[in-house]
Amino acid sequence: DTEVTQTPKHLVMGMTNKKSLKCEQHMGHRAMYWYKQKAKKPPELMFVYSYEKLSINESVPSRFSPECPNSSLLNLHLHALQPEDSALYLCASSQDSGSYGQPQHFGDGTRLSIL
Amino acid sequence: TQLLEQSPQFLSIQEGENLTVYCNSSSVFSSLQWYRQEPGEGPVLLVTVVTGGEVKKLKRLTFQFGDARKDSSLHITAAQPGDTGLYLCAGPISGTYKYIFGTGTRLKVLA
Repeated sequence: DTEVTQTPKHLVMGMTNKKSLKCEQHMGHRAMYWYKQKAKKPPELMFVYSYEKLSINESVPSRFSPECPNSSLLNLHLHALQPEDSALYLCASSQDSGSYGQPQHFGDGTRLSIL
Repeated sequence: TQLLEQSPQFLSIQEGENLTVYCNSSSVFSSLQWYRQEPGEGPVLLVTVVTGGEVKKLKRLTFQFGDARKDSSLHITAAQPGDTGLYLCAGPISGTYKYIFGTGTRLKVLA
């Protein structure tokens, strides 16, 4: 069982749709992350929120819009996605910065398919 | 730029064999994590190593952090089909909330 919960588990959407991915953690962690993972590849960092503020944006296209409503929740709003955006989207959290030896904990991901 | 290189990239072995996976860098890391990921699921944290030279054991898995904190290894004794998966090492970039991942090792254990 994972302590980071992601919904939905699967999502199929057209290129003109708007949808959101949700992530929740109740471990009191102060950093939350979005990753994109293509098949058989390591996760690629997209965004980092620390203490509810966006601290890292890895030059992600604006069709991906992150939101952190509170310290336990993280959303990823999707609009006008392209077929190449089809991937596994992973949410992770960590107690604080990795500089303190704090590991990341991952959810099971949302499998996104763009038609 | 900090990089983590894993070797081998792929490994297919018979049940009962031993194996070692390596995670190497030219940079010093304050800690390294090892994860196992199965298809359709998120990475599951196996261990965090923090001290140079540290050895940690998790049942049949033995993890070692290099003395200089630039590399780590994962040794599996008597591999089982349940060990099949993608093994990833990861480390934090100092002074940031960013982690980098190794290139991954895909392990398949045949019954």
